[in-house]
Parts: sequence; C-alpha cells; structure tokens
Amino acid sequence: AQSVSQHNHHVILSEAASLELGCNYSYGGTVNLFWYVQYPGQHLQLLLKYFSGDPLVKGIKGFEAEFIKSKFSFNLRKPSVQWSDTAEYFCAVNPRGNNNDMRFGAGTRLTVKP
Amino acid sequence: NAGVMQNPRHLVRRRGQEARLRCSPMKGHSHVYWYRQLPEEGLKFMVYLQKENIIDESGMPKERFSAEFPKEGPSILRIQQVVRGDSAAYFCASSGPGTTTDTQYFGPGTRLTVL
Repeated sequence: AQSVSQHNHHVILSEAASLELGCNYSYGGTVNLFWYVQYPGQHLQLLLKYFSGDPLVKGIKGFEAEFIKSKFSFNLRKPSVQWSDTAEYFCAVNPRGNNNDMRFGAGTRLTVKP
Repeated sequence: NAGVMQNPRHLVRRRGQEARLRCSPMKGHSHVYWYRQLPEEGLKFMVYLQKENIIDESGMPKERFSAEFPKEGPSILRIQQVVRGDSAAYFCASSGPGTTTDTQYFGPGTRLTVL
C-alpha cells in the first residue's frame, strides 16, 4: 500500500527566508501528486498539482514543487515566505486512475515570524 | 461557482447521540469523499461515494458510521451513538467526472465535539 511521508512536523522561519518542505511517497506505479494548504481554522485549499509533463510545477502564491521520480519525492518550495504563509501543508498522492485512493502525509506546520 | 459546501460547521453532541454531517459537492462533480482529521494528524480517508453508490468504504469504522449520497440532495455522513473519540474535523471533498486527472476540492469541514 502506498504511503506519504512528510519529514518536518513543524518548521519555524522568519519572513523572507526560503522554504523547502519535504514529501516522499512509496508507490511503484504512476501517481498524481498534490500539495494542499490549510490556514488556521480553514479548509484545505489546493496549492498545486502534478499529473505529467514538466516536473517543476508552479502553484498559487509563489509556491512551486519539483517531482523527482528517482527519489519518489515532491518537495514544496518558496523562495521568500511571508507571515501570511503560516499554515499547515499537506502532501497527497493517489495512483493514476484511482482518484479515491488519496493518501495524505501527516502535515507540516509552518510558522512564519514577522 | 460555489465550492464544496458542508454543514453544520460546528456540531456538539453528547455521548450516545447521533451526528449527521452534510456535504454538497461542487457543481458538476459527481464524486464525494469523506475524510477525518484528528488533532495533530493528517487526513484519513473514510469513504468514497458516487450518486446512490458507495464505491469504497475501506476507511470507515465497521460500526456506528454510515454514509450515503442519494440521487437528490447532499451526501450524508452519519455517526450513531457518538463517543468522545469521534471528536474530530470531518472534511468532504468532491471531484469531477472520473478522469485520471481529477482533483479533489475540499469543503470547510464540520468540527464535531462530543461531550
């Protein structure tokens, strides 16, 4: 069965610092990859997604993620974080063609200090 | 275009009562998913439904939990005889016609508190 690992449980950064959140998955087949963000007290919103093509995916709010197939990774990056990026970030994976089998990582809480 | 709607947003029940959580998918979406989020944990898949059909309920507890998605109206997640351990945020997501590149969009969630 597939699984998703997010290694950082809590990341604390100062504004303008660069961000990289790790996400690794275990699944032998073709996958769809997602990053969702959950702001305090709110629902999950889609940040970006990868289905195929260019492995460097750009999302909303200046976020991007790179799919490295050989490393089974899909790390999220942002060159300069803002206080408003304080939120919980979830990586999610589902096998191509099986959209209901979505597995989420445990999440990474990002705190950005003003 | 309204997103995924869930109600109520907050629900308080006493032990032994029933909880009914409703989810209206995004317009044009025919697939509904329910997830549970416990404090400090990620989302755990519960059940996947299409209109009038339960497709995958492998994440549902065997007892007290049920889900439906009738031909008309919202999807309902029902928890009978709630216990304190049922306290959590329950999120509904919906997706489109069933292609390989469908994306799940989430509702605001229902936060269930069992006293």
